[in-house]
Amino acid sequence: QVQLQESGPGLVKPSETLSLTCTVSGGSIRSSYWSWIRQAPGKGLEWIGYIYSSETSYTIYNPSLKSRVTITEDTSKNQFSLRLTSVTAADTAVYYCVRHQVAGSDAFHIWGQGTMVTVSS
Amino acid sequence: DIQMTQSPSTLSASVGDRVTITCRASQSIGNWLAWYQQKPGKAPKLLIYKASKLESGVPSRFSGSGSGTEFTLTISSLQPDDFATYYCQQYNSYRTFGQGTKVDIK
Repeated sequence: QVQLQESGPGLVKPSETLSLTCTVSGGSIRSSYWSWIRQAPGKGLEWIGYIYSSETSYTIYNPSLKSRVTITEDTSKNQFSLRLTSVTAADTAVYYCVRHQVAGSDAFHIWGQGTMVTVSS
Repeated sequence: DIQMTQSPSTLSASVGDRVTITCRASQSIGNWLAWYQQKPGKAPKLLIYKASKLESGVPSRFSGSGSGTEFTLTISSLQPDDFATYYCQQYNSYRTFGQGTKVDIK
């Protein structure tokens, strides 16, 4: 079965760039939708954006974060990544990578365990 | 942007109670709505998709209904494992979550 694992620095300085990678095992990232979702401490869930992996991959981002977000894929490593620029304390959160359902619907189906990222000097 | 509003924010209930959580969308989303359960320190878990379809492995005491702008999640008989926070989420346009409903012990 498909499993997802987030990795990346747990501490990022203000104004710098947050970079996280999601490694997918048990299945190919091809022909599926993959999202990043975050959750600030004690708060609700916020969708960041998704990538559809295919011959012509494409991305869709949350309009509120679009200017700072890039999601990319590395099919050779079966990974996809998140890049968030110019971070502030408001970007402190647990970051989840997620696979969407594969047919007939598009809910968030399989979640990684999440990785905590703190923005602090 | 489509806003999702859940009510109540907190719900106190006892084992065996019937529990209903409401989710309202700021515009019609058809039936493109999902419900998730989250326990402290854990990732959310998909319960319901397309407003009323039960995810595989989810107990049948969970059910979803609604379409357009009004949706409900019902737990027919609350079990000890069900004390958690529940989120609705639309996937008609971009993706938006409700603010969550915490179900705690009365």
